[in-house]
Amino acid sequence: GAGVSQTPSNKVTEKGKYVELRCDPISGHTALYWYRQSLGQGPEFLIYFQGTGAADDSGLPNDRFFAVRPEGSVSTLKIQRTERGDSAVYLCATGSKGGEQFFGPGTRLTVL
Amino acid sequence: AQTVTQSQPEMSVQEAETVTLSCTYDTSESDYYLFWYKQPPSRQMILVIRQEAYKQQNATENRFSVNFQKAAKSFSLKISDSQLGDAAMYFCASTLTSGTYKYIFGTGTRLKVLA
Repeated sequence: GAGVSQTPSNKVTEKGKYVELRCDPISGHTALYWYRQSLGQGPEFLIYFQGTGAADDSGLPNDRFFAVRPEGSVSTLKIQRTERGDSAVYLCATGSKGGEQFFGPGTRLTVL
Repeated sequence: AQTVTQSQPEMSVQEAETVTLSCTYDTSESDYYLFWYKQPPSRQMILVIRQEAYKQQNATENRFSVNFQKAAKSFSLKISDSQLGDAAMYFCASTLTSGTYKYIFGTGTRLKVLA
């Protein structure tokens, strides 16, 4: 079956712009995670959804970052007023609650 | 708080030889999972092996095995008969068995396989 997909694969934007990153989970997976992977680092947790609600958003760095999952399937990570420090690979992972997480290929965000 | 530490930024191994990647972690919980993930240049995180903390037996998956030392909080990955396709970044990760199950990752080890 299809794995986790993320679009776009790469996104280049200018400082101060707004971006949206999309994650399509594996069908039936109720748990969805967003991670951020900066250059030379391991992924860092941003936010966790169980169904439609954000069960843990403690990893979001500031209020410029926001994520939604309105129907409990597709999720969108939104970043307002982008800064150069937001440049990173954004990974999405999905799974069953308490089970293994399956990762998408990530979106590489570059803020010029 | 959970932490995961990988002290080897880069390792090299000759094809067909064996290499061990190190990982230490810290947690105050008694039950948790530990993982090794492989990340090739495609960025796709691929699960290599998983260990449940309550199991004393070390996990094995074909050429990959772990040395899990719970008291020492150590979780090393051994790759036997290394192949060129094993070249990648390897990340150690942990998660608790309750709560959000979010993963805590180490900083990774880049493995080079020499022909």
